[in-house]
Amino acid sequence: DGGITQSPKYLFRKEGQNVTLSCEQNLNHDAMYWYRQDPGQGLRLIYYSQIVNDFQKGDIAEGYSVSREKKESFPLTVTSAQKNPTAFYLCASSRGGVEQFFGPGTRLTVL
Amino acid sequence: QQPVQSPQAVILREGEDAVINCSSSKALYSVHWYRQKHGEAPVFLMILLKGGEQKGHDKISASFNEKKQQSSLYLTASQLSYSGTYFCGTEKRANFGNEKLTFGTGTRLTIIP
Repeated sequence: DGGITQSPKYLFRKEGQNVTLSCEQNLNHDAMYWYRQDPGQGLRLIYYSQIVNDFQKGDIAEGYSVSREKKESFPLTVTSAQKNPTAFYLCASSRGGVEQFFGPGTRLTVL
Repeated sequence: QQPVQSPQAVILREGEDAVINCSSSKALYSVHWYRQKHGEAPVFLMILLKGGEQKGHDKISASFNEKKQQSSLYLTASQLSYSGTYFCGTEKRANFGNEKLTFGTGTRLTIIP
């Protein structure tokens, strides 16, 4: 079955640590996206990538980094520079310009 | 800038109708609608393109007023399964091939028996 997977489902981090969230898709989609969701604020775009080896900052990129070395994979690193990283993180993919398919999400908690 | 959704929350009895609105201050190319159930990923409902027709399937439909930069989602004869948070995502498409969505803050819909 084609789909998009995220791991882990729950992640705990100590302050000052970097952590990487995984996102993999086997839908053969060119475009991939990372969103952050906080209560009452909807989905906010962190980074997005339309093709391999290229990505653009979204609306809240500070404190985050990404890579796109393979079409199937778009990992997100939450760095220690992100001051309030506790949130629900959603990865999505699309063929570009049409519907986005979302993964199940990773809930990150900073201890 | 995020599109503005209204209302923020609504409670309906099963069988009643609802309208959710999404407004943008920017010229739009398309509007996407998604539904998210608690603790789950958002699921695509439909997309409305500039110059396109009103869309719909089953008892959920939507319209896009390009002049007002507004879209409305219509839920008719609501069912318990319609409960969730509805998000609109707007696309300006300033650069073709560099599409991205800006999502509204959501409308929480609760259907009670």
